[in-house]
Amino acid sequence: EVQLVESGGGLVQPGGSLRLSCAASGFTFNNYNMNWVRQAPGKGLEWIAYITTTSNTIYYTDSVKGRFTISRDNAKNSLYLQMNSLRAEDTAVYYCARDAGVVVGGDFDNWGQGNLVIVSS
Amino acid sequence: DIQMTQSPSSLSASVGDRVTITCQASQDISNYLNWYQQKPGKAPKLLIYDASSLETGLPSRFSGRGSGTHFTFTISSLQPEDIGTYYCQQFHDLPITFGGGTKVEVK
Repeated sequence: EVQLVESGGGLVQPGGSLRLSCAASGFTFNNYNMNWVRQAPGKGLEWIAYITTTSNTIYYTDSVKGRFTISRDNAKNSLYLQMNSLRAEDTAVYYCARDAGVVVGGDFDNWGQGNLVIVSS
Repeated sequence: DIQMTQSPSSLSASVGDRVTITCQASQDISNYLNWYQQKPGKAPKLLIYDASSLETGLPSRFSGRGSGTHFTFTISSLQPEDIGTYYCQQFHDLPITFGGGTKVEVK
């Protein structure tokens, strides 16, 4: 069974940092590109970052570029999101999502359970 | 960025009704369009990929069609377990963008 389990969320002050992790199991992690998607409270879905299997291609949405870093460790079957210079508008549930598509975002076929990040003083 | 406009934003229908949700893209996205279902407090679930392909193992009452800028998602016979919010998503261009969602309720 495919499983994606996020961890590392919580309450952080504006300007602070947080690192999210996503532990994968039940599939060959290094065969799949991965994404982070977030959802602000009561709002819709927002794609924020993508990484290929070998980490050689990475994309971000503009609102997090320069502040967030997506990475992965295939030996540990893990995906990460380093979030720096956090703002109140980054408050959201963060999901990792497996990308089974041929092109970026073509098929978010499995998602983690979500991890809440609250940015507040 | 490609804007995805969903309508309606919410709907209420009876069990057994046919339900249709529309998604309009701000530019031609061919068939680079997926549909997701999200139940309260849960992660989204992929239902339809490439505009009209049903994800494996899902009931055939779910269907999608369209290409270019106009897409529809249909539940042919609404069931109680279909309550939730439905999102379209384009992957033709970066950034990947989602529609605003359609909340489906059962009367």
